[in-house]
Amino acid sequence: AQSVAQPEDQVNVAEGNPLTVKCTYSVSGNPYLFWYVQYPNRGLQFLLKYITGDNLVKGSYGFEAEFNKSQTSFHLKKPSALVSDSALYFCAVRVNTGGGNKLTFGTGTQLKVEL
Amino acid sequence: NAGVTQTPKFQVLKTGQSMTLQCAQDMNHNSMYWYRQDPGMGLRLIYYSASEGTTDKGEVPNGYNVSRLNKREFSLRLESAAPSQTSVYFCASSERVAGVGTQYFGPGTRLTVL
Repeated sequence: AQSVAQPEDQVNVAEGNPLTVKCTYSVSGNPYLFWYVQYPNRGLQFLLKYITGDNLVKGSYGFEAEFNKSQTSFHLKKPSALVSDSALYFCAVRVNTGGGNKLTFGTGTQLKVEL
Repeated sequence: NAGVTQTPKFQVLKTGQSMTLQCAQDMNHNSMYWYRQDPGMGLRLIYYSASEGTTDKGEVPNGYNVSRLNKREFSLRLESAAPSQTSVYFCASSERVAGVGTQYFGPGTRLTVL
C-alpha cells in the first residue's frame, strides 16, 4: 500500500536560514507526490507536486522539493526561511487504486521559524 | 470564484444527534472528498466521489454517509454522533484527469461531540 512518512513532528529554524522538511515514501509503481501547507484554523493549501521529469520541483512561496528515487524521499526545502512560513506541512502520495485522485497524507511536520 | 466552501464552520453536538456537513465547489471539478483531521494522525479519507453519481468508502467510513447531490455539492452525514467523531472535517475537490489532479481544500468544519 502507498504511504508517506514524515519523521519529524517539529522543525525549528532561524529566519534567513535554509529549511528542510523531510518526507519518505513507499509506493508500488511511479510515485505521485505532493506537499501541502496548513496555516492555523485554515484548510490545506497546495504547494507543489512531483509527477515526472525534473527531480527538483518548484512551487509556491519560494518552496521547492527534491525527488530522490534511490532514497525514496521527497524533501521540502526553502533557501531562506521567513517567520511567515511557520505552519503545519503535509506530504502526500497519490493512491493508485479506483477512481478519483485519492491521497494518503503523512502525519504532518510543524515548522517554526524564529527571529 | 470561491473555490471550496463548507458549512457550518463550527458545530457542537450531543451524543446520538445527527447532522449534515455541506460542501460545494465552483471549479467544475469531477471528484470530491471528505477527510477528517485529528492531532498526530494527519488527514484520513472518509469517503470520496470520483465523479457525479458515484461514491466510495475511504480509510475511515464507519459512522458516516455521503451524498453527491450534483457535480458541485458533496455532503457528509453523521446519523448518530459519537465522541470519537470529534474532529476537524475537510472537504476537497479535484479534476479527474488521466494524469494527477491537484486537490483543493475547503476551510474546514470543527465538530465537537459531547
